[in-house]
Amino acid sequence: GAVVSQHPSRVICKSGTSVKIECRSLDFQATTMFWYRQFPKQSLMLMATSNEGSKATYEQGVEKDKFLINHASLTLSTLTVTSAHPEDSSFYICSARDFDGSADTQYFGPGTRLTVL
Amino acid sequence: GENVEQHPSTLSVQEGDSAVIKCTYSDSASNYFPWYKQELGKRPQLIIDIRSNVGEKKDQRIAVTLNKTAKHFSLHITETQPEDSAVYFCAAAARGSNYKLTFGKGTLLTVNP
Repeated sequence: GAVVSQHPSRVICKSGTSVKIECRSLDFQATTMFWYRQFPKQSLMLMATSNEGSKATYEQGVEKDKFLINHASLTLSTLTVTSAHPEDSSFYICSARDFDGSADTQYFGPGTRLTVL
Repeated sequence: GENVEQHPSTLSVQEGDSAVIKCTYSDSASNYFPWYKQELGKRPQLIIDIRSNVGEKKDQRIAVTLNKTAKHFSLHITETQPEDSAVYFCAAAARGSNYKLTFGKGTLLTVNP
């Protein structure tokens, strides 16, 4: 299957700072990428849909000014958690949509564990 | 929007037995149903998926069935092995929604040697 990378894998920051997470599709172009948040022992919750060259679409209840998403190229989307607080601590996972001409499939990055002190 | 229910939340089987996980969905427009396996602290890995134009798909020990009329789909794992132990998530997506996935709550499968 296709490969999606995510960086950093782990980050610890102080409350009030901003953290940027990168998601890259390594061997395919992804016009659409998705950002999820996963709390311990819970399912993946979609935060936003990132479309290359346009504004992201946020799910209900997700603050767009707090979670800034940029999808500047067909292989890179970034999520910036602004003014992070302890309640933002979570596992953030991106996925990239690969269309092979006949079918769509989503492949996930390895995730970023964010800890806000 | 779409709502996906998944059962059971936990499942414990003996090595060699079969495991079945069931999901139901609410949006009749959904036409793509993937299953992901997630080990602790790792990324979800796609293990099998099915699209609405077929009723069953099989890949070695893993199979998925889809009943569009009843809006449910199931994952079947035969001859389970300890390395099958993980959390399994079902999901549903519709072409019209940009293939945005809605996930079930997950099933923790434990295969006892």
